[in-house]
Amino acid sequence: AQTVTQSQPEMSVQEAETVTLSCTYDTSESDYYLFWYKQPPSRQMILVIRQEAYKQQNATENRFSVNFQKAAKSFSLKISDSQLGDAAMYFCAYRSSGNQFYFGTGTSLTVIP
Amino acid sequence: NAGVTQTPKFRVLKTGQSMTLLCAQDMNHEYMYWYRQDPGMGLRLIHYSVGEGTTAKGEVPDGYNVSRLKKQNFLLGLESAAPSQTSVYFCASSYAGLAGYTGKYFGPGTRLLVL
Repeated sequence: AQTVTQSQPEMSVQEAETVTLSCTYDTSESDYYLFWYKQPPSRQMILVIRQEAYKQQNATENRFSVNFQKAAKSFSLKISDSQLGDAAMYFCAYRSSGNQFYFGTGTSLTVIP
Repeated sequence: NAGVTQTPKFRVLKTGQSMTLLCAQDMNHEYMYWYRQDPGMGLRLIHYSVGEGTTAKGEVPDGYNVSRLKKQNFLLGLESAAPSQTSVYFCASSYAGLAGYTGKYFGPGTRLLVL
């Protein structure tokens, strides 16, 4: 069974600095999707970035980028130039080819002014 | 495009009462889901639907029922609420295809307190 592990329950970063959130997953599939979701205090889950497993190039969305290591089954999120609005809970998620979806338990990110 | 909407946003129930949470999406998505979120446990799938008229159990289905009579709506029912069902409930939807899959779209959540 696929599992998603976020080993950092809490992280903090100074405003304007860079922070990396870790995610590892377990799968026997070769074709799947990975996602990072952001959940601010408003509780709305917002898709931050996605990565298709067949793509070697790491996804980038403005200040957000991922380091996708398929062989290591690692999918970390890097937030550059952190802003106060980045403070939120971040969830890593895996979507199998059979549309099974698995979430990690989340990392709470604090941004220090 | 409203995306995914949920009603109500907040509700207080007494033990044994029943209620229905409504989820609506206007993106013509085939798949819809109900999750609950509890501290330290992330999101857990309650029930899901892969199309109109179909539903299936997720990870934590006990105590809940669902119906998908229309493609755009997915209802979550609690027949006899229990304090253990105090949680934040999220509805989500997604399209079925794998190619170009864009992820799930989530509603704003419903906070339920069962006394």
